[in-house]
Amino acid sequence: EAGVAQSPRYKIIEKRQSVAFWCNPISGHATLYWYQQILGQGPKLLIQFQNNGVVDDSQLPKDRFSAERLKGVDSTLKIQPAKLEDSAVYLCASSLDRTGQGDYEQFFGPGTRLTVL
Amino acid sequence: QKEVEQDPGPLSVPEGAIVSLNCTYSNSAFQYFMWYRQYSRKGPELLMYTYSSGNKEDGRFTAQVDKSSKYISLFIRDSQPSDSATYLCAMSVLSGSARQLTFGSGTQLTVLP
Repeated sequence: EAGVAQSPRYKIIEKRQSVAFWCNPISGHATLYWYQQILGQGPKLLIQFQNNGVVDDSQLPKDRFSAERLKGVDSTLKIQPAKLEDSAVYLCASSLDRTGQGDYEQFFGPGTRLTVL
Repeated sequence: QKEVEQDPGPLSVPEGAIVSLNCTYSNSAFQYFMWYRQYSRKGPELLMYTYSSGNKEDGRFTAQVDKSSKYISLFIRDSQPSDSATYLCAMSVLSGSARQLTFGSGTQLTVLP
């Protein structure tokens, strides 16, 4: 079974530039998550999708971050404009959970390491 | 105060040692308790999962939960160099229609051959 795919793996941009990350979840997984992991910290949930609908985006800085999941499969996370404090690893995860209430394991991708100069 | 506090490490032990990794939490609503392992440049992978107080064993790994003290631990017996990684505790509570995961900050473990 193929895992969660993310691209690019690394990205370096200057502050105020925009950047986009792509995630392809495991086939058949209904729930998709984006996390931000700052160096030395645990992952922090940014947004959760159930199929192509947003379940929770309470911790997403909506003035600069946006995310979409078209057709309930792939997802993109965008930052515009980027700030220095956005430097982090952005992790995508997916799970089988079709209702958002199950106890299904979250499978993580390798992440995209973003450096903002 | 953070909802989940984890011993920061780093921790360095000789091969074969018993390792103890610990987290405390403040939110009584947490229902499920997990340990993830994260190798360098990789995403976290689930190691252990439990939802009740007590011990759960899986090979060389034992997860312990004490809900009365809001304390969880992961024990690694006969530690191996391949166990060298960052270990993250995570906890979840059902919030609305979403099961939220809250992670600790991670403990970096190095097992020396």
